[in-house]
Amino acid sequence: DVKVTQSSRYLVKRTGEKVFLECVQDMDHENMFWYRQDPGLGLRLIYFSYDVKMKEKGDIPEGYSVSREKKERFSLILESASTNQTSMYLCASSLFGLAGSDTQYFGPGTRLTVL
Amino acid sequence: QKEVEQNSGPLSVPEGAIASLNCTYSDRGSQSFFWYRQYSGKSPELIMSIYSNGDKEDGRFTAQLNKASQYVSLLIRDSQPSDSATYLCAVNLYNNDMRFGAGTRLTVKP
Repeated sequence: DVKVTQSSRYLVKRTGEKVFLECVQDMDHENMFWYRQDPGLGLRLIYFSYDVKMKEKGDIPEGYSVSREKKERFSLILESASTNQTSMYLCASSLFGLAGSDTQYFGPGTRLTVL
Repeated sequence: QKEVEQNSGPLSVPEGAIASLNCTYSDRGSQSFFWYRQYSGKSPELIMSIYSNGDKEDGRFTAQLNKASQYVSLLIRDSQPSDSATYLCAVNLYNNDMRFGAGTRLTVKP
């Protein structure tokens, strides 16, 4: 079974703090993703990575950065947290991007509250 | 037009009935189609993937894909209260360009 883990289930931070969210997958997947999910807006892609040290912007990268130093680990960084970044953050991974191997498996999510 | 559209619901069916969930997508080049189930406060879990036109069955679940009509559906037979959740339709255009619908909330009443 694919296992994707995230460092925290719940996190409370203050405005202006630097926040690190970590994600680890144990299936040797090439691709890793960070989404945020908000009521009425669905899942929105922040960043994804298709290889170590490689990253691509998603739909809403502003205010976020990412790091992938090892294949199994993908970090999301909020450089200076703001209240509008309060959300559920979901990490996912997939083997490859082509049909047949592009199923994304999700971690349990981190509910981040920025005060 | 949204890239992936679902009826937000809520859809309510009695226990034992068939629940039918629908999804349309805008890009004809889409190659992969997925249904995820998401319980409140939890992350999405994969129910089914489908890549070719036609039906794909897995237990009580059947996914149907019609690329000509740009339509994908999920049927849940013998619905159970434990099936009550939000169902997300996802479409992969090409090489990691995955788009999610907003989800349909299903309630199965005992």
